[in-house]
Amino acid sequence: LAKTTQPISMDSYEGQEVNITCSHNNIATNDYITWYQQFPSQGPRFIIQGYKTKVTNEVASLFIPADRKSSTLSLPRVSLSDTAVYYCLVGDPPGRRALTFGSGTRLQVQP
Amino acid sequence: NAGVTQTPKFQVLKTGQSMTLQCAQDMNHEYMSWYRQDPGMGLRLIHYSVGAGITDQGEVPNGYNVSRSTTEDFPLRLLSAAPSQTSVYFCASSGTSGRVLNTGELFFGEGSRLTVL
Repeated sequence: LAKTTQPISMDSYEGQEVNITCSHNNIATNDYITWYQQFPSQGPRFIIQGYKTKVTNEVASLFIPADRKSSTLSLPRVSLSDTAVYYCLVGDPPGRRALTFGSGTRLQVQP
Repeated sequence: NAGVTQTPKFQVLKTGQSMTLQCAQDMNHEYMSWYRQDPGMGLRLIHYSVGAGITDQGEVPNGYNVSRSTTEDFPLRLLSAAPSQTSVYFCASSGTSGRVLNTGELFFGEGSRLTVL
């Protein structure tokens, strides 16, 4: 399983763009990169997934360089409600075996 | 659809007691899993199942048993509770039913908060 490394915490202000980078040097050919968001006292929820280049949805963008050894989750114009823990996972979705979460990145958005 | 339902939401046990945390999903998902989350920490995988009758161990399986007799249910049993098992437990499921694209998206329950005295 590809191990991931993320910053432990980040601080931002409302209205700013936040970029959270995840390192996954031993990502396998079949692996996808998936990001989850977790609010206090709730289970994580899926944000975005990608394999290469750039993926965008209504919540975030995911940038993946050609070597796929890292990825960056971009949250445009964050608000207080984006304060949460963000997890980067690397694995093969069809297999879904032993999906492991790291410690995540705790994002604190200030007014 | 109710999604993933966990019961109970809160439980207090004494050391040595046994209990079962229930997890049920109504999305016909093949994959189900249990995680524990200690305060301020990430989620650690306890056990998982890729289908009825099939289970496997995750990162921290000791002290827990699981079974998967039906697609819908995946109970987690604590054999002899210890204070170190005080945690929040999350059940999650994933599947391809009704989906065009399989992203492996995990759907989580609301969690079961367990305290072992």
